[in-house]
Amino acid sequence: DSGVTQTPKHLITATGQRVTLRCSPRSGDLSVYWYQQSLDQGLQFLIQYYNGEERAKGNILERFSAQQFPDLHSELNLSSLELGDSALYFCASSVQSTGWETQYFGPGTRLLVL
Amino acid sequence: DQQVKQNSPSLSVQEGRISILNCDYTNSMFDYFLWYKKYPAEGPTFLISISSIKDKNEDGRFTVFLNKSAKHLSLHIVPSQPGDSAVYFCAAKTGTYKYIFGTGTRLKVLA
Repeated sequence: DSGVTQTPKHLITATGQRVTLRCSPRSGDLSVYWYQQSLDQGLQFLIQYYNGEERAKGNILERFSAQQFPDLHSELNLSSLELGDSALYFCASSVQSTGWETQYFGPGTRLLVL
Repeated sequence: DQQVKQNSPSLSVQEGRISILNCDYTNSMFDYFLWYKKYPAEGPTFLISISSIKDKNEDGRFTVFLNKSAKHLSLHIVPSQPGDSAVYFCAAKTGTYKYIFGTGTRLKVLA
């Protein structure tokens, strides 16, 4: 158990809908990262937050947004969903935001868009 | 364009033998490399890392080698154990906070 929790574990929805994925980082970790893993793909970095502020952006679509709250949990919002958004979404956390520290991953949320 | 490539999607090794997982990268600006292990229904777990100023890092049965001139990274597991069966991802960090992952290699250690 990495100490990072993600809810829900599974999500099935329809095209055009909007969903919110939630992540609680390990106790004491200030950084949260979001990744997308599509079928047969590596983990694609989406976005990083550090202590409530956006720190880095990767290949995140404009239909996707995220935020980190004062209690340090984070939410990833996916809107106008398309079939191709079906994937595993992982959240990871780390203590700092230098990039040199270990990232601890949650178990992921599996999203299926029908 | 895939900047971090794991060209072998799968690998089978006998228990007790050496497992060698390979990773190639294209960006010479990567300065930190990591290996993660992933079991089904779990998130990736950090295994071992190496800075670009080193060419080798060991941790128990796991050794990572970095060949900067060839832009090649490898993970050696000796001896391999059935519990090592998992998907292994290599990842590289650029100068920012961004990590780029490979597509993974599924290792199966046969008892």
